[in-house]
Amino acid sequence: DAGITQSPRHKVTETGTPVTLRCHQTENHRYMYWYRQDPGHGLRLIHYSYGVKDTDKGEVSDGYSVSRSKTEDFLLTLESATSSQTSVYFCAISDPGGAYEQYFGPGTRLTVT
Amino acid sequence: AQSVSQHNHHVILSEAASLELGCNYSYGGTVNLFWYVQYPGQHLQLLLKYFSGDPLVKGIKGFEAEFIKSKFSFNLRKPSVQWSDTAEYFCAVNGDSGTYKYIFGTGTRLKVLA
Repeated sequence: DAGITQSPRHKVTETGTPVTLRCHQTENHRYMYWYRQDPGHGLRLIHYSYGVKDTDKGEVSDGYSVSRSKTEDFLLTLESATSSQTSVYFCAISDPGGAYEQYFGPGTRLTVT
Repeated sequence: AQSVSQHNHHVILSEAASLELGCNYSYGGTVNLFWYVQYPGQHLQLLLKYFSGDPLVKGIKGFEAEFIKSKFSFNLRKPSVQWSDTAEYFCAVNGDSGTYKYIFGTGTRLKVLA
């Protein structure tokens, strides 16, 4: 398995509170991604990064922000969590030299009450 | 905009039955195509991928997929499923070269009965 960790793995938080999820990789891959997985919707891209301090929006970016200050870390922040952000969040990595394959982290289950 | 359609949302098969899961995409340019599998409680893992060349691609665990450009399809097949193939299967497209963005289908839940 690729060296990808996500923290926390589970979190319960209240509506209106800020939440930060962390993705850490040891593969030195250039690209990093945040997805959310919801029943009936599959995986939807939230944000992705194509290098340190270089990020772009995905299809469901509203209410989320990201930061990447180091190659190995990609943070996803919910500024003010809402119940609609209850989901499982997956981080993924890929590399231009890696034949376009994405490697996924173990996921973070977030519940917003 | 790119999109991916997986027509079968839930499939139930008996062991040894043959499997075919449909995947259609909409994108007019060159595409890279993937099938991922997610076993219960686990993260996504790559089954197989297509970039160019032979449109019949073989992956792990006896899975294969055929790219039919004229039909914008990349269907997943397995001649004889096993109970351990119970999982959710996702088709994905990367057709926006230069941005490395991937679009996933909504997934197909496969249940194989022993």
